[in-house]
Amino acid sequence: DAGVTQSPTHLIKTRGQQVTLRCSPKSGHDTVSWYQQALGQGPQFIFQYYEEEERQRGNFPDRFSGHQFPNYSSELNVNALLLGDSALYLCASSPNRGAGNTIYFGEGSWLTVV
Amino acid sequence: AQSVTQLDSQVPVFEEAPVELRCNYSSSVSVYLFWYVQYPNQGLQLLLKYLSGSTLVESINGFEAEFNKSQTSFHLRKPSVHISDTAEYFCAVSDRKGAQKLVFGQGTRLTINP
Repeated sequence: DAGVTQSPTHLIKTRGQQVTLRCSPKSGHDTVSWYQQALGQGPQFIFQYYEEEERQRGNFPDRFSGHQFPNYSSELNVNALLLGDSALYLCASSPNRGAGNTIYFGEGSWLTVV
Repeated sequence: AQSVTQLDSQVPVFEEAPVELRCNYSSSVSVYLFWYVQYPNQGLQLLLKYLSGSTLVESINGFEAEFNKSQTSFHLRKPSVHISDTAEYFCAVSDRKGAQKLVFGQGTRLTINP
């Protein structure tokens, strides 16, 4: 059983560009969340998708957007990249059976903005 | 809203020594509590979680954590650490209602010296 898979693993972008990160949730999971982990910091919640809609959003600007597909996979898009967007982006999945379920994380996509 | 404070950013210990990683949280509602571990260049893995019942929870690799409601703490302990325990440890909380959104602490880097 594959866990949460993310692509690409590493990428370098130039300030002002746009980036798309992809995530496939663990089998049986229908809820996908995205987190940003800056170097030396804990992960911070960006947003969560369920039934192809954004269900919750953290304190991130509109430059951060996402999408969930009918097969539950998800994309994170970041527009007008800033140097401060350099971070590890983690995708997490869980079943929509209420709070307390184990949330599984992918290995992340390392984004460097130069 | 919730917040999590991990009181030590780095904890160096010798192999086979005991260790405690401290975590305090703040929340206006009841929460679930989690410890996640991040090995170098990997994603987050759930170590253990407290949902209800006994306040002492254990992991399969010898870690344990105790929920203390009066002190709003969830410290992680291991009586004898191994080199392989070297990793970053994150304490996290989620509220008991609604979607599964984790609020993380800043992390504690555990370094095991031979």
